[in-house]
Amino acid sequence: EPEVTQTPSHQVTQMGQEVILRCVPISNHLYFYWYRQILGQKVEFLVSFYNNEISEKSEIFDDQFSVERPDGSNFTLKIRSTKLEDSAMYFCASHQGGLGYEQYFGPGTRLTVT
Amino acid sequence: GEDVEQSLFLSVREGDSSVINCTYTDSSSTYLYWYKQEPGAGLQLLTYIFSNMDMKQDQRLTVLLNKKDKHLSLRIADTQTGDSAIYFCAESKVPMNYGGATNKLIFGTGTLLAVQP
Repeated sequence: EPEVTQTPSHQVTQMGQEVILRCVPISNHLYFYWYRQILGQKVEFLVSFYNNEISEKSEIFDDQFSVERPDGSNFTLKIRSTKLEDSAMYFCASHQGGLGYEQYFGPGTRLTVT
Repeated sequence: GEDVEQSLFLSVREGDSSVINCTYTDSSSTYLYWYKQEPGAGLQLLTYIFSNMDMKQDQRLTVLLNKKDKHLSLRIADTQTGDSAIYFCAESKVPMNYGGATNKLIFGTGTLLAVQP
């Protein structure tokens, strides 16, 4: 069964460093999302992406964040200058669009900022 | 604004039924979902219901929706130890015109289900 994959599973970085989290969505899906879950808190929407542009972003998704689909298969989230409060589990999700409303989630990348 | 609330913890014995409850505030929600998260794993879609339905059954899972009270529940029949996980309810609004439409999910706090053998 097709699945969303994410790499790395765990990333440790120092405050102020740039990180890139990678996702490979399901191949025929058209809509892509990033969510994050700070330990013990709700899963929060960050950004959605369709047709090579951002469809919607939350207030969390400030100028330090960017997304890209560089090669038609990967979907990346970049954090330019990480802060301690960026430590969280980051989930990528995709769905087919049209009647394919089910969002499929990857296993997540745990980002630890020290 | 959009808000989804759940109770934090539920403990049941193996073989019993579990009922996990959720309340939401946005009456214009179109779809309501239940996701399961096992330790160290991602979010697995269990089931969903359209807001124009009041019940959906899928094997051991029964979803009940009370739109008037904005209350959603997930009943798991014959609960097994493998059902131990965190269960999230989520809502979304999807316009009929899908082109370019986002389908962001608003999640609840999650309910930790502990199944005792």
